[in-house]
Amino acid sequence: EIVLTQSPGTLSLSPGERATLSCRASQSVSSSYMAWYQQKTGQAPRLLIYGGSSRATGIPDRFSGSGSETDFTLTISRLQPEDFAVYFCQQYDTSRTFGQGTKVEMK
Amino acid sequence: EVQLLESGGGLVQPGGSLRLSCVASGFSFSSFAMSWVRQTPEKGLEGVSGIGASGGTTYYADTVKGRFTISRDNSKNTLYLRMNNVRGEDTAIYYCAKESAAVARRNYFDHWGQGILVTVSS
Repeated sequence: EIVLTQSPGTLSLSPGERATLSCRASQSVSSSYMAWYQQKTGQAPRLLIYGGSSRATGIPDRFSGSGSETDFTLTISRLQPEDFAVYFCQQYDTSRTFGQGTKVEMK
Repeated sequence: EVQLLESGGGLVQPGGSLRLSCVASGFSFSSFAMSWVRQTPEKGLEGVSGIGASGGTTYYADTVKGRFTISRDNSKNTLYLRMNNVRGEDTAIYYCAKESAAVARRNYFDHWGQGILVTVSS
């Protein structure tokens, strides 16, 4: 099973700042098979990024995904108040596994 | 608008059974694979089971294999999860999720239901 490790566990930032979230895989993952989700308290996850870097429908362009092999990144260029949430990475190259999440909280 | 509405959760005793349902709308249900994904604070998100668009292919996580059965009724736009011989570690929020293609593999989840709580306890 491919284990995904996200860091940091919590990111404390202010609105307008840039957020950089990391997802490291225990073995190589094709970048075409990496997704990112946002989850707010009491809500279901929402797809942000698929195929490593493609934004899902309706996702603003301040969200971007990048990376390859074992290191992947979700970047939020300028945090908006509605972006404070938990973010999960998921690989769907070999079976499907999720990272444990990074919480982006308001400083 | 894609909508996925789960039902059937609740409290069940260890060793008992439960059936979850998910009614889908807003897309061509019979054209997409579907999955159940569960979430706990301790273990995070886990793909429990998936089924292809036609219902011909299924997959299960090792943790539920032999105890859970996934099925679908395309005439009713409904996905099911039959949970038998449940254990304490099955306690979780269960989400119905639409996959991004017809075949139940190498897909991401592009829409999720609101989730339903299953609690296994005596």
